[in-house]
Amino acid sequence: ETGVTQTPRHLVMGMTNKKSLKCEQHLGHNAMYWYKQSAKKPLELMFVYSLEERVENNSVPSRFSPECPNSSHLFLHLHTLQPEDSALYLCASSHGRHWNTEAFFGQGTRLTVV
Amino acid sequence: TQLLEQSPQFLSIQEGENLTVYCNSSSVFSSLQWYRQEPGEGPVLLVTVVTGGEVKKLKRLTFQFGDARKDSSLHITAAQPGDTGLYLCAGASYGGATNKLIFGTGTLLAVQP
Repeated sequence: ETGVTQTPRHLVMGMTNKKSLKCEQHLGHNAMYWYKQSAKKPLELMFVYSLEERVENNSVPSRFSPECPNSSHLFLHLHTLQPEDSALYLCASSHGRHWNTEAFFGQGTRLTVV
Repeated sequence: TQLLEQSPQFLSIQEGENLTVYCNSSSVFSSLQWYRQEPGEGPVLLVTVVTGGEVKKLKRLTFQFGDARKDSSLHITAAQPGDTGLYLCAGASYGGATNKLIFGTGTLLAVQP
């Protein structure tokens, strides 16, 4: 149990579908992050939320839409994705936005776009 | 753009052997973290090093932060099959509202029994 839970663990979706990834943490952290992990590429930071405010958007295509309704929940809404978007999507949380503190990762959602 | 290059990219060794993984960058980082990721799981933090030249030990794992805080190494003594996994270094970059963690390219380690 890592303290960060992601659902679903696996998702297969067509290019015209709309789906959402969910991340939940009960560690009392106030910063949450979405990362994309593709084969043979470094982990890519997508979005950062601090105190429910988006503080970073790393040039991510608009077909990915994050939502942070409170400090414990983070969503990633997906629509009209492309096959190259297939990857492992990881959520993480930490205390504040200072990375000296430990970042806890969820187990990830393995996304396949067909 | 800050980049962290890890070497080697892949490593397959026999149980009991020693190994070193390197993490290099041209950028200075405020701190550096090492993670291990097992198949189907998220990365799990192993250690954070903060001071240039710092050495930390975690059982058979020894981590060192370079004097200039641009590079780091992970040395494993007498590797065990349980050490198998993807090792990731990550540099912490502080800067106003965009504090973030830059991940390295990863080293995939397989320890054969």
